[in-house]
Amino acid sequence: AQKITQTQPGMFVQEKEAVTLDCTYDTSDPSYGLFWYKQPSSGEMIFLIYQGSYDQQNATEGRYSLNFQKARKSANLVISASQLGDSAMYFCAMRGLISNFGNEKLTFGTGTRLTIIP
Amino acid sequence: EAQVTQNPRYLITVTGKKLTVTCSQNMNHEYMSWYRQDPGLGLRQIYYSMNVEVTDKGDVPEGYKVSRKEKRNFPLILESPSPNQTSLYFCASSPHRDFSNQPQHFGDGTRLSIL
Repeated sequence: AQKITQTQPGMFVQEKEAVTLDCTYDTSDPSYGLFWYKQPSSGEMIFLIYQGSYDQQNATEGRYSLNFQKARKSANLVISASQLGDSAMYFCAMRGLISNFGNEKLTFGTGTRLTIIP
Repeated sequence: EAQVTQNPRYLITVTGKKLTVTCSQNMNHEYMSWYRQDPGLGLRQIYYSMNVEVTDKGDVPEGYKVSRKEKRNFPLILESPSPNQTSLYFCASSPHRDFSNQPQHFGDGTRLSIL
C-alpha cells in the first residue's frame, strides 16, 4: 500500500520569496515515481515535476525543484521566486513503477493550498 | 494538441437519474483512469483501464460503472446517482509501460452535484 502525507493544509508566502511544500510518503514498492501537480482555482490538474526513486539527482523544471531525500521518504517541492500565478492547490502523488497488475494508479496527498501575497 | 476531454464540465441533477460523463483522449494512450476529488481527501481512483475491453476497480468503485470499447474513450456511468457522489471528477490517461516517468494527463474535471 502507498500513502502520501502533506502536512501543510495552507501556506501564505510573500511574492518573490522561495517556498517549500512538504511531502512525505510510504510505500513497499521497490521502484516508484513521485509527481507534483498544481490545481489552480479553475480546477484543472497541471503536471509540474517528476522524480524517480532510482534517479541520482534531484529533479528540476524551471522554477520548480524537488528536494528528494529517499532515506527520509520525503519529496518536497521548492518553488523559487514565487509569483502571484503560483497561488493554487498543490498535490504530491506517487505510483509504483513496476506494473501492479497494470494499474498505474496515482496515490495523492490531501494537498496544500498556497497563497502568494503581493 | 494533446488533450483529455471531459464532458460535461458541470452538471446538476437529481437522485436516481442515470448519467454518463464522457472522457476522450487523442494521445493513443493505453491506460485511462477515473478519479474523484473531495475536500480533505485528495484524489481517489474509481476505475481504471489498461486497454480496450480491460477494466478494473480502483479504491472507490461503488455506484459507478465504466466501459472501454474504443481506445480513446472511457466513459463513467452513474446508474442511480446519490448525493454522496457529489464531487469533482477527473479522467486521466497515460502510456502503459513499466518504469515510465510519463505523467498522467488529466482532463479539466467535471463538477457533479446530485440533489
